[in-house]
Amino acid sequence: QVQLVESGGGVVQPGGSLRLSCAASGFTFSSYGMYWVRQAPGKGLEWVAFIRYDGSNQYYGDSVKGRFTISRDNSKNTLSLQMNSLRPEDTAVYYCVKIRSAVITYDAFDAWGQGTMVTVSS
Amino acid sequence: DIVMTQSPDSLAVSLGERATISCKSSQSVLYSSNNKNSLAWYQQKPGHPPKLLIYWASTRESGVPDRFSASGSGTDFTLTISSLQAEDVAVYFCQQYYSTPSITFGQGTRLEIK
Repeated sequence: QVQLVESGGGVVQPGGSLRLSCAASGFTFSSYGMYWVRQAPGKGLEWVAFIRYDGSNQYYGDSVKGRFTISRDNSKNTLSLQMNSLRPEDTAVYYCVKIRSAVITYDAFDAWGQGTMVTVSS
Repeated sequence: DIVMTQSPDSLAVSLGERATISCKSSQSVLYSSNNKNSLAWYQQKPGHPPKLLIYWASTRESGVPDRFSASGSGTDFTLTISSLQAEDVAVYFCQQYYSTPSITFGQGTRLEIK
């Protein structure tokens, strides 16, 4: 079955950096677009970054543009999120999320990881 | 950005009764290439990630009980639970993927037992 396992979260001071990873299994990772979606404590869901199935294009939410970088290694079935210049408002659970259909980008999200908590605080 | 607005913010329904959640988008999410509405519904239980229930506005995900149904088109959508079960207590989110990659979610509706 599809599994997405995030790691790399933790506590970091404002201005610091973290790198999140997501290990994917149970599907042909190289055929699916992937997102990072975050959820601040007690709040709603916000898309952070998206990468196409082949890594050819990356897109970012306005709140993280210029600070975060999404990448993928299809040979290792791994998705990553490099987060720099972190701010307190970046505090959230970060989910690795799979698009339902192969290659197609316009589709719902059919698999979510359990999430990794990022806390930005001094 | 397309703004998704759910109503109500919270809802209490008796076991076995019908629960209905509304979702409105600030613009149409009808995808012209396939004439389908780019709208999904998710269920999130405490301490867990969201789970896909419905996609393309009315297609039930595999394994989702048939008491969950959804309808709507354009800008107005509805999720219905025909007979509420205790395990349905959760927060429900709608999502538009029309403006991919800039997808947006509704603020969520908390469903409780009356």
